[in-house]
Amino acid sequence: DAKTTQPPSMDCAEGRAANLPCNHSTISGNEYVYWYRQIHSQGPQYIIHGLKNNETNEMASLIITEDRKSSTLILPHATLRDTAVYYCIVRATGANSKLTFGKGITLSVRP
Amino acid sequence: DAEITQSPRHKITETGRQVTLACHQTWNHNNMFWYRQDLGHGLRLIHYSYGVHDTNKGEVSDGYSVSRSNTEDLPLTLESAASSQTSVYFCASSESIPDTQYFGPGTRLTVL
Repeated sequence: DAKTTQPPSMDCAEGRAANLPCNHSTISGNEYVYWYRQIHSQGPQYIIHGLKNNETNEMASLIITEDRKSSTLILPHATLRDTAVYYCIVRATGANSKLTFGKGITLSVRP
Repeated sequence: DAEITQSPRHKITETGRQVTLACHQTWNHNNMFWYRQDLGHGLRLIHYSYGVHDTNKGEVSDGYSVSRSNTEDLPLTLESAASSQTSVYFCASSESIPDTQYFGPGTRLTVL
């Protein structure tokens, strides 16, 4: 799987949008960008994934640059419960469906 | 609602004992995975299975085994527990399409 680079931490104010960046400059054409998060002491939680088009669901939006070398996860109205470690993972789908977790980015939402 | 459960949630055992951690999912997913999480290492894949009677080694499989006799369960066995296996263990499952893994709540294992 291609390697991703995320800053170690960031914070944002409650109610504001949280924009979490991820670089994946060596991504291959068949690899997707996945985002998971892990709230303290809980199992990782799937958020969203995409290939090249921007994606939105009830949790977040995923913006992928045209060259696919970077992406941004957007939490439109962050709440205190969004405080977690967020993992950006690049992987191909199919038979080899293993996830490789890096260190992620710790998002702290302040009141 | 469909879900994935792990038991026990907490376990303390002694060095040398055999320990089995249970993982049960009701989504009827073909794929199941075991990870461990330690400070400084993030999540690391131990074993995985793509279907009944299929098992594969992950990056940290030494000292662990799994067997898949049905779709719903993938128990993880520590043959002879070691202190280095003190960790939090997460089970996950996925269907091939879409290939999204869903995680259980975790089991905290302490080996004394």
